[in-house]
Formats: sequence, C-alpha cells, structure tokens
Amino acid sequence: GESVGLHLPTLSVQEGDNSIINCAYSNSASDYFIWYKQESGKGPQFIIDIRSNMDKRQGQRVTVLLNKTVKHLSLQIAATQPGDSAVYFCAENLFSGGYNKLIFGAGTRLAVHP
Amino acid sequence: NAGVTQTPKFRILKIGQSMTLQCAQDMNHNYMYWYRQDPGMGLKLIYYSVGAGITDKGEVPNGYNVSRSTTEDFPLRLELAAPSQTSVYFCASSYGRWDRGYEQYFGPGTRLTVT
Repeated sequence: GESVGLHLPTLSVQEGDNSIINCAYSNSASDYFIWYKQESGKGPQFIIDIRSNMDKRQGQRVTVLLNKTVKHLSLQIAATQPGDSAVYFCAENLFSGGYNKLIFGAGTRLAVHP
Repeated sequence: NAGVTQTPKFRILKIGQSMTLQCAQDMNHNYMYWYRQDPGMGLKLIYYSVGAGITDKGEVPNGYNVSRSTTEDFPLRLELAAPSQTSVYFCASSYGRWDRGYEQYFGPGTRLTVT
C-alpha cells in the first residue's frame, strides 16, 4: 500500500509506554478539533474530537487536551501498542466563506518498538 | 452502511488522458470533499461541496473539476492528466453541523499514477 509519513516528524516509543503527540493550530476562532489516525495504505480514521468549550476529553486509551490560550492540542495514548503505529493528524474546524472546513495539520508519525 | 466508497482503487494514466474518480456516501451527509495526499505529506483540499448543486474550490483545484448532482455522489474529473497529479486521492463526507459534529468520514482512497 501507499506509504505515508516518510518525511513527517517521527515520535518513537517503546511498547507499553504512554505517547504524547502535539499539534499547534492556527485560528483562535476554531470551534472544534479532531484527531485522525492514518495507517499505511488506508484513509484517515477518526480517533477522538473535542469542542472548544472543553479542555479535556477521554476515550478508550486516548485523551485529548485543548489549550486555547496557546492554541495547542495534544493527543495522549496510554500503554502504546504496536497497532498504534501510524501517522496522526490533528484538524481544526473553521467557519469560513459561509461554510465549515477542516484544516489539517501536517501529521506526526508514531513508531512503536517492541 | 457502506460509508464512503471510492472507485477505482488503483489507476495508471498516460499524460494527457482524462478520467473520473467516483465517490459515493450513504450517510445522507450534506458536505463532501476531495483531497489529495502526496507521499509523506498531509492532505490538500481540492474541491468541496455543501450540498447537491453547490461546489467550491479548495486550495489545489487546478487540473480538476467536480459536480454534485445528488446528495450521494461527488465525482472528481481529471482532464489532461499530468505527472504532477500522481497522488492518492481521498473522498470524505460529513454532516458539517455543530450539533452532529464536523467529523469527516474518509473513503479508502484511489492511488493514481500518471506516466
């Protein structure tokens, strides 16, 4: 399949450790944020979202933190597993030109080592 | 639900040929999108649609055209294919509403090579 993340920043972690992937977003008017996971040869897959009226949201093994003061978003993965190896994208929703658009970040490759 | 489906999965075109990438969704989403993703890079928005009959350009529309005659279908047309259009193309759809969230659902992608 198509390889993604060849030139993206890479975070290398040991299996079982916690991972933290960071993202800086650009627009203070953004009201909704999403993290996507993209495995090699596949389309992006939704992981978790958070609205701008929240600063933390938890899912299964994942937590998203939102700091609107510094326009920063992070994704925490607990007890990282080999199946978590992928490229992770953050996205912010922006209302522009009368419509909602998702603006995607450049992505971070997560490499999990046994 | 099948979600978002795309055809074909792979295609090789010669320079100057044309083709249509098909995309369909069965979730009754108003918003649909086309992205391209070059190797090792992020997603670039080509075109999007907020409903049947309404389309608009994204950040990289040159060399492409779209139409949206139904809620379900959003084909992407490549005219006069060029090597620079070698990429993986993803179609996505969403509700595009605060109460339903802005999550975009992605198809499996079409891998296009132009030689």
